[in-house]
Amino acid sequence: SQQGEEDPQALSIQEGENATMNCSYKTSINNLQWYRQNSGRGLVHLILIRSNEREKHSGRLRVTLDTSKKSSSLLITASRAADTASYFCATAFSWANQGGKLIFGQGTELSVKP
Amino acid sequence: EPEVTQTPSHQVTQMGQEVILRCVPISNHLYFYWYRQILGQKVEFLVSFYNNEISEKSEIFDDQFSVERPDGSNFTLKIRSTKLEDSAMYFCASLYRGSSYEQYFGPGTRLTVT
Repeated sequence: SQQGEEDPQALSIQEGENATMNCSYKTSINNLQWYRQNSGRGLVHLILIRSNEREKHSGRLRVTLDTSKKSSSLLITASRAADTASYFCATAFSWANQGGKLIFGQGTELSVKP
Repeated sequence: EPEVTQTPSHQVTQMGQEVILRCVPISNHLYFYWYRQILGQKVEFLVSFYNNEISEKSEIFDDQFSVERPDGSNFTLKIRSTKLEDSAMYFCASLYRGSSYEQYFGPGTRLTVT
């Protein structure tokens, strides 16, 4: 399998519910980032968590990172119809190693029904 | 808020033709990237660029591809002889390397090769 795999591939929930997306990766990283992409649009950075952090919050977003399991989760609480988008995790390596390039996962397509 | 811009938003070209995709990164950013996303697939790293030279390139970035920063503001991706499989969304990103690894993405150029 490849660096940055996510599950589920698609998630459909009702407005107000929480959405949880998971990401797994294979090699050591410097940090892991989550991006959102609305259909046919660009990528919007949501949150970054460093390898020495375990949890991070930003508004309705909560990200966890378990480096021993090489996995991360993104929780969106109290979801809204406007959260409907694809969500990607992306891993970044040390600058000494690979100059900051991002390796993206396959993404989770989230649909929030009003 | 400063943003990365890309032109054109959509480019249609015939197989074998040369295309140049243009990006204007955020003005004080030092690192520049190109990624591509084939429809329905994940975002893939193509190339990173720093200090007027390529820092790293992926296997996708073969001799048909080149990048250039012709002046202080533009960052271009050239595909010399396009193939059908080059059809994709191409994203430019830039990064100001402080303590942040957060890349700022442009809205993308959709390239259609017929």
